[in-house]
Amino acid sequence: TQLLEQSPQFLSIQEGENLTVYCNSSSVFSSLQWYRQEPGEGPVLLVTVVTGGEVKKLKRLTFQFGDARKDSSLHITAAQPGDTGLYLCAGEGTYKYIFGTGTRLKVLA
Amino acid sequence: DAMVIQNPRYQVTQFGKPVTLSCSQTLNHNVMYWYQQKSSQAPKLLFHYYDKDFNNEADTPDNFQSRRPNTSFCFLDIRSPGLGDAAMYLCATSRDLGGASLNEQFFGPGTRLTVL
Repeated sequence: TQLLEQSPQFLSIQEGENLTVYCNSSSVFSSLQWYRQEPGEGPVLLVTVVTGGEVKKLKRLTFQFGDARKDSSLHITAAQPGDTGLYLCAGEGTYKYIFGTGTRLKVLA
Repeated sequence: DAMVIQNPRYQVTQFGKPVTLSCSQTLNHNVMYWYQQKSSQAPKLLFHYYDKDFNNEADTPDNFQSRRPNTSFCFLDIRSPGLGDAAMYLCATSRDLGGASLNEQFFGPGTRLTVL
């Protein structure tokens, strides 16, 4: 069974701080996606990583796919209140996507 | 813009009264998914269609059914909603499956179901 564990589960930080969210598995994924979800809305795709070791940047967000394509990280620099939300990673398995357990981030002004 | 649309955004039903949620897509994707998401949890896959082929998750209750009359539309039917079925229901699409090519998954805004 493919599982994705995210850590931390909850994170509350002050505006301007940096943070890293981890997404780990013992399984290999052909690609991995990161989403942000705000209350009452569907998840919005932030990025897809495909190649082992790949690094992608989206403004203040940096995403990395592990060399073995079993894990990924999301780093946010100088967090802002607008970054508040539920962050989900999802690995593309053979026949379906496997979602991580989620990280709920709150950035305080 | 190409997108995934869900109607209604909010649905209230009574205990035991059948309810249907709808999803449409303009992406012309082969795969459509239905997820159930309860408060602050990750989405849980109920089933998916690859074209007309229906794939049910092993732990999806029989109370949940789905129909896909054409490429663009997919419906979630809850035959006898219980209080425990109150949740956000998310529809998603992807071009393909199987890892042979990049298959990003796109979500609709969701339908929040309340069961009274």
